[in-house]
Amino acid sequence: GENVEQHPSTLSVQEGDSAVIKCTYSDSASNYFPWYKQELGKGPQLIIDIRSNVGEKKDQRIAVTLNKTAKHFSLHITETQPEDSAVYFCAGRWGGSSNTGKLIFGQGTTLQVKP
Amino acid sequence: NAGVTQTPKFRILKIGQSMTLQCTQDMNHNYMYWYRQDPGMGLKLIYYSVGAGITDKGEVPNGYNVSRSTTEDFPLRLELAAPSQTSVYFCASRRGEGLGGDTEAFFGQGTRLTVV
Repeated sequence: GENVEQHPSTLSVQEGDSAVIKCTYSDSASNYFPWYKQELGKGPQLIIDIRSNVGEKKDQRIAVTLNKTAKHFSLHITETQPEDSAVYFCAGRWGGSSNTGKLIFGQGTTLQVKP
Repeated sequence: NAGVTQTPKFRILKIGQSMTLQCTQDMNHNYMYWYRQDPGMGLKLIYYSVGAGITDKGEVPNGYNVSRSTTEDFPLRLELAAPSQTSVYFCASRRGEGLGGDTEAFFGQGTRLTVV
């Protein structure tokens, strides 16, 4: 079935360093991979996403890479800042038609950026 | 813009009681989802819906029921509350897939439920 594994579960970095979070998925039918950030007491919010026909996407200090052959994708945050501290979730959407759309999330990574 | 609204924000239930978690969205989104979030377990999909009148099970549907009579509303029903259902529940909605590709899921603020 559909499954998304996320590592590590916690990550602590010094301000200014880079952070990398990795996810693997089980079903090659997934073709959309978003990343969400959840701040304390709030619902998750989309920060970046990537589709299966793209290998890499960047948005300022955030980038996502996708390796379809290996079925894994990663979030890269450069020049980390204390406000990047949050829980980050990767996800995969299953189904190739508009009649599906199951959105499955990874276990989450708690990122702590130390000043 | 209201977005996705969940009520209540907090609730304490006794074992065996029932309740409905309300979720409504004003963005005319086709897809709606219910997730539960437990510490270290991420977001687990309970049920989802791709449109009014259509619902489907997610990863952890046991003990829950849903309905989708309108595009706006997607209530989650707990019939016989159990301590294992203590969790934070999130509702989300998405427009769906289209020519422009996939769309963002918008989440509500969550409902913190404790079953004692």
